[in-house]
Amino acid sequence: ETGVTQTPRHLVMGMTNKKSLKCEQHLGHNAMYWYKQSAKKPLELMFVYNFKEQTENNSVPSRFSPECPNSSHLFLHLHTLQPEDSALYLCASSVPGEGAYEQYFGPGTRLTVT
Amino acid sequence: AQKVTQAQTEISVVEKEDVTLDCVYETRDTTYYLFWYKQPPSGELVFLIRRNSFDEQNEISGRYSWNFQKSTSSFNFTITASQVVDSAVYFCALYTGGFKTIFGAGTRLFVKA
Repeated sequence: ETGVTQTPRHLVMGMTNKKSLKCEQHLGHNAMYWYKQSAKKPLELMFVYNFKEQTENNSVPSRFSPECPNSSHLFLHLHTLQPEDSALYLCASSVPGEGAYEQYFGPGTRLTVT
Repeated sequence: AQKVTQAQTEISVVEKEDVTLDCVYETRDTTYYLFWYKQPPSGELVFLIRRNSFDEQNEISGRYSWNFQKSTSSFNFTITASQVVDSAVYFCALYTGGFKTIFGAGTRLFVKA
């Protein structure tokens, strides 16, 4: 398998559920990102990991909890979400070097919070 | 402050027409990078081009071309002889430091057969 993969592709969860999104990259990159894409809003950077260390937390509510066990895998743990958290969640990876290099994106997880 | 403006929310063209997507950026930094990405209906953003602030050469790749003008802080993207497969949302992005890339709001392009 190549590129960046994300599972699940679609997720419907209630506000009291706990779920996790998974991202895996097969590109040998060492930087990984979580973005939120809501309708009619620019992409919002949520978290950045560089060599497994979190380097950016863009004021994301604590109901979103990232985990990066190694440079190839990234998780986003979700709990007690709100309906306004419904969005497309995109994972991306890049070579290290901060943001100066292009990012490679997965297909996203379409999350609906009911 | 850094900002990327894509003033065109949606553009609709007929196949084989040329179309230009505008991107205007703001930054006080002298070193920065500009990007274009394509987001087809499948969802993933696909990298198209990266340009650094010291390289104002225009670039052509097949039907795609990019016009970078520092004097007007613009980095416009032209698709020549558009095709239905070009239908997507196109994002312009700016990087000036750290890990944060600033994305524009995107331009949705419809190409009708």
